[in-house]
Amino acid sequence: SQTIHQWPATLVQPVGSPLSLECTVEGTSNPNLYWYRQAAGRGLQLLFYSVGIGQISSEVPQNLSASRPQDRQFILSSKKLLLSDSGFYLCAWSVPSGGLRGYTFGSGTRLTVV
Amino acid sequence: EDQVTQSPEALRLQEGESSSLNCSYTVSGLRGLFWYRQDPGKGPEFLFTLYSAGEEKEKERLKATLTKKESFLHITAPKPEDSATYLCAALRNTPLVFGKGTRLSVIA
Repeated sequence: SQTIHQWPATLVQPVGSPLSLECTVEGTSNPNLYWYRQAAGRGLQLLFYSVGIGQISSEVPQNLSASRPQDRQFILSSKKLLLSDSGFYLCAWSVPSGGLRGYTFGSGTRLTVV
Repeated sequence: EDQVTQSPEALRLQEGESSSLNCSYTVSGLRGLFWYRQDPGKGPEFLFTLYSAGEEKEKERLKATLTKKESFLHITAPKPEDSATYLCAALRNTPLVFGKGTRLSVIA
């Protein structure tokens, strides 16, 4: 069966520090991968998605970046965090056809920038 | 631009009091309409996919329906454990377009 792992679960980082969040998927090949952010009381905001290794589409560039170094690994990064980067970050995957069977989400990372 | 709007933003029900959540969408060429449940501090959990107008799907106390412009999530005789945020999302092309969700509270 397919599983998705996302870590860390919580993170407190000072303003200006770097960020690296990692997401891996097991039990499937060539998945579509997604990074979402959810601010308190707000909906899901798509940040990046990837349909293959090295293929990244950016929806909200800002000061965040994403990379997909391996088929089932998706990394969200920042060189210098801002206060506005605080939020709940979610990784998700879907089948290559685009998600007609739905997205499967990870358990999320709660990021607080102080 | 594809849009998904959910209403109400928040809903408070007494245990056993049935109600419906609304999801309106403006997506041409809809390929699928999805419902998710999200508990606080957790990732959304997939509930249903609806593919065409007139389709219905059920799971325990939940039933999802789809028309050409909106989807409803009917909750029959809810229990406190049904308290969560319910999200709907529409798919035309990758990626999904999510609504902001309805926060449901069921009071014993």
